[in-house]
Amino acid sequence: LAKTTQPISMDSYEGQEVNITCSHNNIATNDYITWYQQFPSQGPRFIIQGYKTKVTNEVASLFIPADRKSSTLSLPRVSLSDTAVYYCLVGDNTWGDTGRRALTFGSGTRLQVQP
Amino acid sequence: DSGVTQTPKHLITATGQRVTLRCSPRSGDLSVYWYQQSLDQGLQFLIQYYNGEERAKGNILERFSAQQFPDLHSELNLSSLELGDSALYFCASSDDRSSYEQYFGPGTRLTVT
Repeated sequence: LAKTTQPISMDSYEGQEVNITCSHNNIATNDYITWYQQFPSQGPRFIIQGYKTKVTNEVASLFIPADRKSSTLSLPRVSLSDTAVYYCLVGDNTWGDTGRRALTFGSGTRLQVQP
Repeated sequence: DSGVTQTPKHLITATGQRVTLRCSPRSGDLSVYWYQQSLDQGLQFLIQYYNGEERAKGNILERFSAQQFPDLHSELNLSSLELGDSALYFCASSDDRSSYEQYFGPGTRLTVT
């Protein structure tokens, strides 16, 4: 799995857009970028996944530049309930012959949203 | 609600004891993963099962073992428990057609005293 680097923490206010950037300089051709959200004492929750350019769902947007060495998770108009830890993961999307899909979580980015 | 269930929610036991944690994956998911989360180690992958067979091992201690049954539920067995085994244990499941899109259960909080 490619190594990822994220800010340890970020602060924001309700209603603002939050952008969390993840660096993954040694991303491989088959690697996808996946983001998870985790609230205290709860299991991580899948947010979004992408390979290149831009992906958007009802929760967030994921921006991936052409060189794919970084990615940015964008949370529009955050609320207090978006206070959580956000993890960026990079890994091979292919099923392969082993089907190994274990996730390697780093330290994540602790987002604190203030009123 | 992810569709993954785990029991029990809380478990308190003494050092040296053995416990069993149970997980039921989302309907239709063949893969089950176990993760351990402690304050000092973060979220660590332990082991993966696919349709009853062990598929990948992570940082799982020899005192720990797991299995997946024909109905696809899984159990994680922790024996000779030590204080350092106190942690949150998460089970996750996935549809093997998806890439890194895993669905996590609510976890079992194990406290070893």
